[in-house]
Formats: sequence, C-alpha cells, structure tokens
Amino acid sequence: EAEVAQSPRYKITEKSQAVAFWCDPISGHATLYWYRQILGQGPELLVQFQDESVVDDSQLPKDRFSAERLKGVDSTLKIQPAELGDSAMYLCASRQRQGRRETQYFGPGTRLLVL
Amino acid sequence: AQRVTQPEKLLSVFKGAPVELKCNYSYSGSPELFWYVQYSRQRLQLLLRHISRESIKGFTADLNKGETSFHLKKPFAQEEDSAMYYCALQGGSEKLVFGKGTKLTVNP
Repeated sequence: EAEVAQSPRYKITEKSQAVAFWCDPISGHATLYWYRQILGQGPELLVQFQDESVVDDSQLPKDRFSAERLKGVDSTLKIQPAELGDSAMYLCASRQRQGRRETQYFGPGTRLLVL
Repeated sequence: AQRVTQPEKLLSVFKGAPVELKCNYSYSGSPELFWYVQYSRQRLQLLLRHISRESIKGFTADLNKGETSFHLKKPFAQEEDSAMYYCALQGGSEKLVFGKGTKLTVNP
C-alpha cells in the first residue's frame, strides 16, 4: 500500500541554523499539506499545496519558514533560522484531489529538536 | 472561527468497559467531522468520518448539531484500542482543524 514518505525522521539542530524537511506524497495525490504538532497539541496546518501552487499559507511564519513543491510532486519545508520554539513534530499529508470527501493520508513525521 | 475541544487529555478504562471520548466543536456552517487515531509508533490515520455513518473497529460517532458535539463511543473497549485520538473539523476551506487529543489507555 502506498504511503507518504518523510525524511529525516529526526533532526537535532542549534538555534539560528537552517533545517529542511522533505516529503514525498502518495503518487498521484495533487494536494499536499504540512502540519506542525507541538507536544501535547493537535496538528496545525502550516501550508497547503494544490499541485505546485500554494492554496493556504496563512499560518506559515513567513519570516523564517518557506515551503515549495516545484514540480507538484515532492515538497520541502525549510526553517531559517531555527528558534527554540520550533521544536515540534512536522507532519506531511497528501490527498488525491481537492474536495471535502477526500481523505488525508499522513506521513510518519519529522521530529525536530532545536537546542 | 473553527475550534475543536477535547476536554479530556487522558482517559483510562478497563478492558470490556464502555468508552466515550468527547469532542465539541465551534463552527458557524455545516462542518465535516472526523476522528483520527495514532497508535504507538504509527502514523496518524483516519478512524472514521461522520458523513460515512459507519462503525470502524467497533467505534461509532454521532454528530449532534444541537450540542455541537461528535463524541466517539465503543461499547466494549479492547487493549488494542489504547492510542491517541484526535477529533478534527473540516469547514468550507477544506482545512482540517484538530483538537488537542485524548490519550486512551485500556487496562487489562
């Protein structure tokens, strides 16, 4: 069964450094999401892509976070510079197409620790 | 504004006992409600959605628009039900808004 892939699974970095996370959605899934999950909280949407276009990045801290999905397939989320408060689980999810009836499938996540 | 509240951070029951995980929501339109589950060391996955009106792994959830609730229920809990459960709401923008989650522990 096809799954969403993410790498790395764990990342430890020092504050002010740059970090990048990669996501490979399920093949054929046009919609891709990045979520941040702080310990003890539910996931919160950072950015949503439809193919290569950003649909919603209203919760993305654009001064330090950037996301791209250049060919409409895999995606990269970058943080520069990282801050202590960025320590969290970063989840990627994909969905076959837009539409409220479609299911989102989640990746295993990248756990980030900023020291 | 869209908001999902799960009042219980932790819930502990014995095997065979009924279990109910509470979820309340705030949304002015007609939302779609979901329950997601995350078993230990596994990824977040969809358990059920209100529109399907189905029972998955013995769990059911009924949308009560009057009380703005979508509680998850199972008549006889099993040890393998131990997991984190997240209630989520999808409004008109298709964006999923999650609650903070309830950790269910089913004791033998």
